[in-house]
Amino acid sequence: RKEVEQDPGPFNVPEGATVAFNCTYSNSASQSFFWYRQDCRKEPKLLMSVYSSGNEDGRFTAQLNRASQYISLLIRDSKLSDSATYLCVVASNSGYALNFGKGTSLLVTP
Amino acid sequence: NAGVMQNPRHLVRRRGQEARLRCSPMKGHSHVYWYRQLPEEGLKFMVYLQKENIIDESGMPKERFSAEFPKEGPSILRIQQVVRGDSAAYFCASSPLSGGNTGELFFGEGSRLTVL
Repeated sequence: RKEVEQDPGPFNVPEGATVAFNCTYSNSASQSFFWYRQDCRKEPKLLMSVYSSGNEDGRFTAQLNRASQYISLLIRDSKLSDSATYLCVVASNSGYALNFGKGTSLLVTP
Repeated sequence: NAGVMQNPRHLVRRRGQEARLRCSPMKGHSHVYWYRQLPEEGLKFMVYLQKENIIDESGMPKERFSAEFPKEGPSILRIQQVVRGDSAAYFCASSPLSGGNTGELFFGEGSRLTVL
């Protein structure tokens, strides 16, 4: 089983739609979780951390379910500029490295 | 404040040649990571270094690959006797603290290696 698994998509949604991405992780001892964004042929950039209580940053909401080892990202009122690949990221056993999922591709259309 | 600088951005090598990829971390960052992204694959951790020390190389292939982060100068990822399967984007990232603590790694734009 892969350490971090995501539905690759693509998700094609119209502007203004709400879209949700899911991610599962295999290591129940993981303590830190994040969402990164990667534009086509660009470097990944941190979007937001994921906290146990759930957290929101503008149109973005991240949630963590430790019992199910499941992480989600909700994007409300999608913009064209949200089109990108969203990477689910979990800190490794060592605590040093970050393990990245393959990413979920989002395309927001006019 | 310049970001993470990687060079070359694109590198073409023939099978059997050596590839050297360089990474200068952001100013003030002493933690450097190398990741590899194969076509249609996710980022795979390779190695984590601090100045003059390899902290975690659990993701490095056992042969042909090596990394260093000397006291002076950039971090180097070296691939000897390249094969076609080495063709990938190699991303360097840096952070002021261990990435697992903060989750924020600052990535360079990557070095894209093509092996003919």
